[in-house]
Amino acid sequence: AQKVTQAQTEISVVEKEDVTLDCVYETRDTTYYLFWYKQPPSGELVFLIRRNSFDEQNEISGRYSWNFQKSTSSFNFTITASQVVDSAVYFCALSGDNYGQNFVFGPGTRLSVLP
Amino acid sequence: NAGVTQTPKFQVLKTGQSMTLQCAQDMNHEYMSWYRQDPGMGLRLIHYSVGAGITDQGEVPNGYNVSRSTTEDFPLRLLSAAPSQTSVYFCASRHRGRVLSSPLHFGNGTRLTVT
Repeated sequence: AQKVTQAQTEISVVEKEDVTLDCVYETRDTTYYLFWYKQPPSGELVFLIRRNSFDEQNEISGRYSWNFQKSTSSFNFTITASQVVDSAVYFCALSGDNYGQNFVFGPGTRLSVLP
Repeated sequence: NAGVTQTPKFQVLKTGQSMTLQCAQDMNHEYMSWYRQDPGMGLRLIHYSVGAGITDQGEVPNGYNVSRSTTEDFPLRLLSAAPSQTSVYFCASRHRGRVLSSPLHFGNGTRLTVT
């Protein structure tokens, strides 16, 4: 079975603090992809990043960075110098061989960045 | 490109009524799906389709029907609305050719309330 866990239900930080959102996944697939999506208060779902199971290089994009560790089945997301506009619900998701073409989403982490 | 278009944005139904949520995409994506989003539960897959004429059940299919007569359209039908179907519904699509790596593209959602 495939499963994605985001243990942090809600996080509050003050603007300019760094914050890390945790994502732990379970899968028996050898080939799979991990994704992060952002859902701002307006409600739409925005794709942020994708990482495949064979590429454990960390990735940085501006204030965002992602740490993929296969050994711990984790794909954590860090926002550096957070801003109020980062306030949103963030979802981690998994797409693997044995679940057809379907995604499995975590329950989401609600991030509130206070001014 | 409009991407994925969902209508309506909001809907209120009475218990027992039926209705259809519309979804259309103009990206020539083979794969389309419907999710519902409930607080603390992330996104749960209702039904999906890998091409015209092909549909299958997801995690929570009961009370919903789908059909896929064209590549572009994937309507979701509520047969007899129940209060438990109060939720936000998202339609999503992705390229099938790059099955695992292709991200889901989401519509803006439909907020449904059943009284």
